[in-house]
Amino acid sequence: DAKTTQPPSMDCAEGRAANLPCNHSTISGNEYVYWYRQIHSQGPQYIIHGLKNNETNEMASLIITEDRKSSTLILPHATLRDTAVYYCIVRVRGRTGFQKLVFGTGTRLLVSP
Amino acid sequence: EAGVVQSPRYKIIEKKQPVAFWCNPISGHNTLYWYLQNLGQGPELLIRYENEEAVDDSQLPKDRFSAERLKGVDSTLKIQPAELGDSAVYLCASSSRTGTGGHEQFFGPGTRLTVL
Repeated sequence: DAKTTQPPSMDCAEGRAANLPCNHSTISGNEYVYWYRQIHSQGPQYIIHGLKNNETNEMASLIITEDRKSSTLILPHATLRDTAVYYCIVRVRGRTGFQKLVFGTGTRLLVSP
Repeated sequence: EAGVVQSPRYKIIEKKQPVAFWCNPISGHNTLYWYLQNLGQGPELLIRYENEEAVDDSQLPKDRFSAERLKGVDSTLKIQPAELGDSAVYLCASSSRTGTGGHEQFFGPGTRLTVL
């Protein structure tokens, strides 16, 4: 019941900005958008989250469209260590009433020299 | 600060055997999660604990899976008996309402289970 759609793979040159798109056209007004990444053989790592406004932290920027139906994660200066699977996630309220993250299959980003 | 610790990192068993995974969350984190990750897929939530109470176990296959979090700290996930389809990575995560307001989950490295 993932609510997001992402391209399966993307390439980026080292030092350039990586722009990872995500569609979440069925998102509800109070559901947050999260981004996590997973480097090979490691657990997922939190990157950033947002509701309506654009957000920026030391790792990345999150741009959410005004209608909230899509968003873009921006890694401003990609390095080789940014090669990973990036998950765009909508946090939903489960059947028990508690919030939960529903991961999709993500985008495999390959950063090359 | 130590991260989420899981053991073992790898486990190979024969089908119908029992297996257990252990997780030690980040100190002070009251919320603990167990996820299942199949190859090429994103993690799927199995169970969520608030302190020692399992508040969401709707995705846990209760016929063969069980979990506990005694004293609201460490947690164990058990499968008995294991089936071939249980081969996957089992991830543990924890979070706290302080700091980022519970928005950030911290994941362990996972236990890779292979059932032969």
